[in-house]
Amino acid sequence: DVKVTQSSRYLVKRTGEKVFLECVQDMDHENMFWYRQDPGLGLRLIYFSYDVKMKEKGDIPEGYSVSREKKERFSLILESASTNQTSMYLCASSRDRDEQYFGPGTRLTVT
Amino acid sequence: AQKVTQAQTEISVVEKEDVTLDCVYETRDTTYYLFWYKQPPSGELVFLIRRNSFDEQNEISGRYSWNFQKSTSSFNFTITASQVVDSAVYFCALSELNAGGTSYGKLTFGQGTILTVHP
Repeated sequence: DVKVTQSSRYLVKRTGEKVFLECVQDMDHENMFWYRQDPGLGLRLIYFSYDVKMKEKGDIPEGYSVSREKKERFSLILESASTNQTSMYLCASSRDRDEQYFGPGTRLTVT
Repeated sequence: AQKVTQAQTEISVVEKEDVTLDCVYETRDTTYYLFWYKQPPSGELVFLIRRNSFDEQNEISGRYSWNFQKSTSSFNFTITASQVVDSAVYFCALSELNAGGTSYGKLTFGQGTILTVHP
């Protein structure tokens, strides 16, 4: 069974903290993605990666960075968390132009 | 630029009614893929279907059916005899090519339609 896992379902952090969100897939997929989901705005792409150590900015990369040191793992980093980064974060992976498989999401609250 | 529009923000139906979710897209690519995903209250997006731009045949899977019309750039999703378990947010998505002609699997999502099926 294909699987994308995310390190936490719920996370509460303080403003200014550095936050790491981890995503792991077990399908040997080349592509991995980080989205944030906010009511009325759908899914917005933050960053994606098409190979180890390769990354590209999505639509809303400001305030975020990513790391992909191994094929199966893609990390999203909030360098200095702010309240406007309170959101649901979704990780996904895919092979080529096949469907994306999503993780369960991390609901992050920044206070 | 690619764009996917799901004009229906919320739909509410009573169980056993048929319901159609609309999806209209814009792209300059000649080859592309369209997708539908379901996001139940648990939060995890579930893949429903992928359609190649060269295949305009309608698809039926149980109570679900999809109508792809290139002439109107639409890829609509119909649930027949809806059930309470169909209550979810449904997303339509479009694959895209970057400037170099590759894809990396990147998708453009619509804003989603919230479907509520009442018993």
